Amino acid sequence: ETGVTQSPTHLIKTRGQQVTLRCSSQSGHNTVSWYQQALGQGPQFIFQYYREEENGRGNFPPRFSGLQFPNYSSELNVNALELDDSALYLCASSLNSYEQYFGPGTRLTVT
Amino acid sequence: RKEVEQDPGPFNVPEGATVAFNCTYSNSASQSFFWYRQDCRKEPKLLMSVYSSGNEDGRFTAQLNRASQYISLLIRDSKLSDSATYLCVVNQAGTALIFGKGTTLSVSS
Repeated sequence: ETGVTQSPTHLIKTRGQQVTLRCSSQSGHNTVSWYQQALGQGPQFIFQYYREEENGRGNFPPRFSGLQFPNYSSELNVNALELDDSALYLCASSLNSYEQYFGPGTRLTVT
Repeated sequence: RKEVEQDPGPFNVPEGATVAFNCTYSNSASQSFFWYRQDCRKEPKLLMSVYSSGNEDGRFTAQLNRASQYISLLIRDSKLSDSATYLCVVNQAGTALIFGKGTTLSVSS
């Protein structure tokens, strides 16, 4: 196993609500990246945090935001949920962003 | 043009077969390359990094051709447990991984 953990495993929210997803990185890793994977697609990059600073962002609106803490764990926050936000949310942990190791994901359903 | 393109398959092969997956990428500034494996409703797992000189890990061989912007994965002596989706992945600026849509492999007995 990668040692990357995510919570919760599954989540059901209503359109317009807000959600916070959590990720604990592998020991020794300083970088966390977040990805969204819709059914039948490859994961899409949301953003990356390196040493508590955002270090790159994909093509996602500002209602997707994040944090990284001093212990390198991270949160992904999504405001004003839309039906299209239903997906598997994956975090990946790495040392300086090279080989990235994924957690089991959080499956979000927006109704 | 998509940044990373793969043949979606599915590839249906018998046990023991050799199967090859191909992938092309559009950004010549891409720096590092990987193959990930993803089982149904699970997270992607790093299968192998791909180096310019080519590299092998047991039954798996990966090749990179920077001039043609082409990556390949060869699986020899396929096992039932190899059935999964194989994702070709490129890292451009040292941050984001760019994924292809994946190629589905089904190995049957």
